[in-house]
Amino acid sequence: SQTIHQWPATLVQPVGSPLSLECTVEGTSNPNLYWYRQAAGRGLQLLFYSVGIGQISSEVPQNLSASRPQDRQFILSSKKLLLSDSGFYLCAWSKTGAYNSPLHFGNGTRLTVT
Amino acid sequence: GQQLNQSPQSMFIQEGEDVSMNCTSSSIFNTWLWYKQDPGEGPVLLIALYKAGELTSNGRLTAQFGITRKDSFLNISASIPSDVGIYFCAGQLRANFGNEKLTFGTGTRLTIIP
Repeated sequence: SQTIHQWPATLVQPVGSPLSLECTVEGTSNPNLYWYRQAAGRGLQLLFYSVGIGQISSEVPQNLSASRPQDRQFILSSKKLLLSDSGFYLCAWSKTGAYNSPLHFGNGTRLTVT
Repeated sequence: GQQLNQSPQSMFIQEGEDVSMNCTSSSIFNTWLWYKQDPGEGPVLLIALYKAGELTSNGRLTAQFGITRKDSFLNISASIPSDVGIYFCAGQLRANFGNEKLTFGTGTRLTIIP
């Protein structure tokens, strides 16, 4: 069966510091990968998605970037965090090549920028 | 862009009561999904609907894909304490091959009153 791992679970970082959140998927090949941000327990906003290694699409202009160095690894980064980057970040995957495959989410990373 | 209106925003019910929530969209979707999110965790897929008019059950949960493809509802029968959480609807429109982007509703927070 497929599993998705996100870490860390919580993170407190000062303004201006760099960020690296990691997500890996097991049990499937060439998944579609996604980064979402959720504010205040509601409203998931799509930040990035990837359909293959090195292929990243950005949904909203922001202070963050994403990379996919390996097939099942998705990384969310920032060079300098802003206060507004605080939130709950969720990684998700779906099957590629399957019509309208549902997204499956990791357990999230709660980021607090101080 | 597409928007999903989910209602009600919150519900306070007693254990054993039935629950009903719905989502409406300004445009059509190919798929409707319902997720449940517990505090501090990622959303978990409850039900996926793939055809207009489809009615699907998962235990005490029943969901329907509206005929117009612009709405969906979720019913929970005989609620129990573990039903507490936030429920999200999500519409999926396959824009490009391999990219199953979701549009999420704003969530319905379910609370059970002792």
